[in-house]
Amino acid sequence: KAGVTQTPRYLIKTRGQQVTLSCSPISGHRSVSWYQQTPGQGLQFLFEYFSETQRNKGNFPGRFSGRQFSNSRSEMNVSTLELGDSALYLCASSFAGLAGVYNEQFFGPGTRLTVL
Amino acid sequence: ELKVEQNPLFLSMQEGKNYTIYCNYSTTSDRLYWYRQDPGKSLESLFVLLSNGAVKQEGRLMASLDTKARLSTLHITAAVHDLSATYFCAVDMGNFGNEKLTFGTGTRLTIIP
Repeated sequence: KAGVTQTPRYLIKTRGQQVTLSCSPISGHRSVSWYQQTPGQGLQFLFEYFSETQRNKGNFPGRFSGRQFSNSRSEMNVSTLELGDSALYLCASSFAGLAGVYNEQFFGPGTRLTVL
Repeated sequence: ELKVEQNPLFLSMQEGKNYTIYCNYSTTSDRLYWYRQDPGKSLESLFVLLSNGAVKQEGRLMASLDTKARLSTLHITAAVHDLSATYFCAVDMGNFGNEKLTFGTGTRLTIIP
């Protein structure tokens, strides 16, 4: 069974540009969560999508957005990049279908974004 | 706002010794997870703790959860070099499962031969 995949694995952008990162969940998983990891702020929750709808959102500015497609693949977009957006962006997928029911979550390898 | 604190932040241990990493959180939750991260790598799930008093063990690692004290511990027994990594606890605040995690600051563990 293939794991969570993220593309690209590495990305270099300059300030002011925008970037799109992709996450393909494990087959059958309908929930995709995104996290940002930086040395200063640690691991922070960005947002979660389930069945093409944003179901949870963290405390990030509107420059950070995402979407999910009918095949559960998800993309996140960061517009007007800032130096502080340099980070490892992780996505995680799970079935997450029923309220209060634990569903094992799997993390992807991450996309390392560097903003110059 | 949920706060998750880990201590210590850095831990240098000699091989063969025992130690405990602590994870305190500020709001009620009965779902807590431990992860391991190697440098430049993603997160590897270690333990899933889903109820008060839950205890899980895998090899030299043992995790426990006390929801009343809002405290989880990760105990390392007879440390070996392969355990060198950063360890994170995470509290689950999602309404539907574990889709929204709040992570602790992480504990960077270095095992010295």
